[in-house]
Amino acid sequence: KNEVEQSPQNLTAQEEEFITINCSYSVGISALHWLQQHPGGGIVSLFMLSSGKKKHGRLIATINIQEKHSSLHITASHPRDSAVYICAVSQNTGNQFYFGTGTSLTVIP
Amino acid sequence: KAGVTQTPRYLIKTRGQQVTLSCSPISGHRSVSWYQQTPGQGLQFLFEYFSETQRNKGNFPGRFSGRQFSNSRSEMNVSTLELGDSALYLCASSVLQGYEQYFGPGTRLTVT
Repeated sequence: KNEVEQSPQNLTAQEEEFITINCSYSVGISALHWLQQHPGGGIVSLFMLSSGKKKHGRLIATINIQEKHSSLHITASHPRDSAVYICAVSQNTGNQFYFGTGTSLTVIP
Repeated sequence: KAGVTQTPRYLIKTRGQQVTLSCSPISGHRSVSWYQQTPGQGLQFLFEYFSETQRNKGNFPGRFSGRQFSNSRSEMNVSTLELGDSALYLCASSVLQGYEQYFGPGTRLTVT
């Protein structure tokens, strides 16, 4: 069983749609991370959070520590948001990540 | 500030050979982590170095090793390459352990 489960695996949306990607984890964590990976491989860290909610532009990330669940929301989606979104958790104070399998998002104009 | 750089970007090796990949972290970052990404297994943690010491290690065989230098640059080495080692190898740096990580572009290794 994976320590981190993501859903959905694949997602196709129309431009301007509101998008939600979910992440559940089964281990104790020090932080949860949302990463974005574009074709070609480069990974960008979108959020690192240990409680509550963070917002950056059209992206919002929330975490519920009691339920061991996090969501990534994209408002007013745009074709440039098309990428793989990966949830990862880190334990203790180290940088060892456990990764979800990723959600492949395609936003159609 | 320059981002994380990895060299080489692409590499083709033959089974049984060994390979060394290099990662230069963002200036001032002391923690470097290495990850392997394959279509079948996804992203997996290899190891983390902080102040020239390996702090965490993932579940990989001893053929995978690494080191960190006093300037925080890191190398990873894979000996006796197998076909299954074909992957994208990513490194990431952070100021300290537990802080946000910044990823490099990766080295794509193909083993034939």
